Amino acid sequence: DTAVSQTPKYLVTQMGNDKSIKCEQNLGHDTMYWYKQDSKKFLKIMFSYNNKELIINETVPNRFSPKSPDKAHLNLHINSLELGDSAVYFCASSQGQGHTEAFFGQGTRLTVV
Amino acid sequence: AQKITQTQPGMFVQEKEAVTLDCTYDTSDPSYGLFWYKQPSSGEMIFLIYQGSYDQQNATEGRYSLNFQKARKSANLVISASQLGDSAMYFCAMRDSMDSNYQLIWGAGTKLIIKP
Repeated sequence: DTAVSQTPKYLVTQMGNDKSIKCEQNLGHDTMYWYKQDSKKFLKIMFSYNNKELIINETVPNRFSPKSPDKAHLNLHINSLELGDSAVYFCASSQGQGHTEAFFGQGTRLTVV
Repeated sequence: AQKITQTQPGMFVQEKEAVTLDCTYDTSDPSYGLFWYKQPSSGEMIFLIYQGSYDQQNATEGRYSLNFQKARKSANLVISASQLGDSAMYFCAMRDSMDSNYQLIWGAGTKLIIKP
């Protein structure tokens, strides 16, 4: 069974469109994250979500919004897509706020054309 | 401010040799955890090994071990008997108690290529 799954794996879309990436974890973790990995492979936190508390990285444009219908899901909605949004987006989860490892989904490669 | 530094952007290593990937970190929190992840060309992020700041012994996990030198604030990953499948990007990361985001702070990564 996949621990953290995100769909789709690839997403190609035009500028200005709105798109969503879904993420589900079956690990029973209480914290979920979205990361963005740019073309230089640098990982940047976008959001973390713990016990209904959303913490937003202030550098993330408000066109990006996470939606969590329940503890096992944290979807990412992106409005008015721009060329610069092209990247790989990773969903991850971890248990608690301690020093536990995060488990990652397989990533979604978003290409905006 | 918390920071992770990986000074080796890329490394070439002969198959079956041991390899050390460097990682230094900076935090003022005495309680923190250090992590290494592998990202093969297929793109997924794979957790490899964890070291806690209060752990008395260096972490080991199969062919992976962590050379933890707390005074130097370094947490180098050692891969013994390297294999072709070890070719990948390797990321060092840290989480401490001071970050309300519960986020991992990431290094820039090291691209490891194992030569046959």
